[in-house]
Amino acid sequence: GNSVTQMEGPVTLSEEAFLTINCTYTATGYPSLFWYVQYPGEGLQLLLKATKADDKGSNKGFEATYRKETTSFHLEKGSVQVSDSAVYFCALRQAGNQFYFGTGTSLTVIP
Amino acid sequence: SAVISQKPSRDICQRGTSLTIQCQVDSQVTMMFWYRQQPGQSLTLIATANQGSEATYESGFVIDKFPISRPNLTFSTLTVSNMSPEDSSIYLCSVNSGGAGETQYFGPGTRLLVL
Repeated sequence: GNSVTQMEGPVTLSEEAFLTINCTYTATGYPSLFWYVQYPGEGLQLLLKATKADDKGSNKGFEATYRKETTSFHLEKGSVQVSDSAVYFCALRQAGNQFYFGTGTSLTVIP
Repeated sequence: SAVISQKPSRDICQRGTSLTIQCQVDSQVTMMFWYRQQPGQSLTLIATANQGSEATYESGFVIDKFPISRPNLTFSTLTVSNMSPEDSSIYLCSVNSGGAGETQYFGPGTRLLVL
């Protein structure tokens, strides 16, 4: 079946620290992969996506590379800011429009 | 992309009552999705709503508890019926936007507290 496993949180970092949030997936075929972000009190927003192996999605300083060999899509940012504090969800889309979400990783960045 | 609005944004309801949540999209879409996000948890798909047909419910969700309407290609409603405190959640409407690697876009959510 299809599933997404992401790093348990919460994660607390100091401003300007390096961020990695791990995400691995199980899927049949070739899914598309996504990272969504949910800021406090808001809905989910698409952060970045990758549609095929070796693609790199990037946005707002965040990056993630679709690694088929390790079935991973880890989220990284070189220097986090207080405004990056949010919950991050990894997700995959399989043929048929069904999305599968990870459990979310809460990130708090302290000044 | 798609811009999605939901009403109400939040509500506090009494046990045993029902609440209808509205979802409006700025473009015509075939499929609309309703999710539930319980406190501190990930998203759970409740049902998929296609215009002109009955909604398709996921395991654990039934039409009597969560009736859905889909009268046209830009609008849907989800009703949470006979509410109990366990229904306290964020309810999210979403749509897929086409193209390669179709992306799911979400409304801002409806925060429901049942007392």
